[in-house]
Amino acid sequence: EDKVVQSPLSLVVHEGDTVTLNCSYEVTNFRSLLWYKQEKKAPTFLFMLTSSGIEKKSGRLSSILDKKELSSILNITATQTGDSAIYLCAGTGGTSYGKLTFGQGTILTVHP
Amino acid sequence: NAGVTQTPKFQVLKTGQSMTLQCAQDMNHEYMSWYRQDPGMGLRLIHYSVGAGITDQGEVPNGYNVSRSTTEDFPLRLLSAAPSQTSVYFCASTQTGVYGYTFGSGTRLTVV
Repeated sequence: EDKVVQSPLSLVVHEGDTVTLNCSYEVTNFRSLLWYKQEKKAPTFLFMLTSSGIEKKSGRLSSILDKKELSSILNITATQTGDSAIYLCAGTGGTSYGKLTFGQGTILTVHP
Repeated sequence: NAGVTQTPKFQVLKTGQSMTLQCAQDMNHEYMSWYRQDPGMGLRLIHYSVGAGITDQGEVPNGYNVSRSTTEDFPLRLLSAAPSQTSVYFCASTQTGVYGYTFGSGTRLTVV
């Protein structure tokens, strides 16, 4: 059975801090790893990673995949209160794009 | 663009009642899936579909039924509601997964 594990489960920081969120996966016939940000409602897409060692960046957020270690990290620099959210990672594998296996999520709280 | 539309947004059911959660997408996406989200457990896959007429079970399918008669619609049926089905339900769709998955805004279901 596919499995995705995130750590830490929760994190409290102050504005301006840099945070690193971790995601490890065991997904049969792995295709890609995705990161989502969830505030009050639906998850919103951040990154999709398929190739090892290639960093994806969007503003203060960046992410990288390590296929050898079956893991990924999400970095957020110069955190702001608006970064407070649940961050979810998910893996896809096999022959179908219909299935996402999610981790438990990391609850990030950024204090002013 | 409506994206993925879920109805209703909130629902309260009595134990034993049945109901259908609606999901519709207007992006001509091939893949659609249903997830439930419970505190501390991330999102868990209930059922998914790789195209009209084709569905398959996910991680937690018991007590739920789906069908996919058109590309646009993917309803989720609760056959006989139980308190354990109290959760937030999300529908998602994608074409090939390359641009991530688009989520609906969710249905908050309470079974009393």
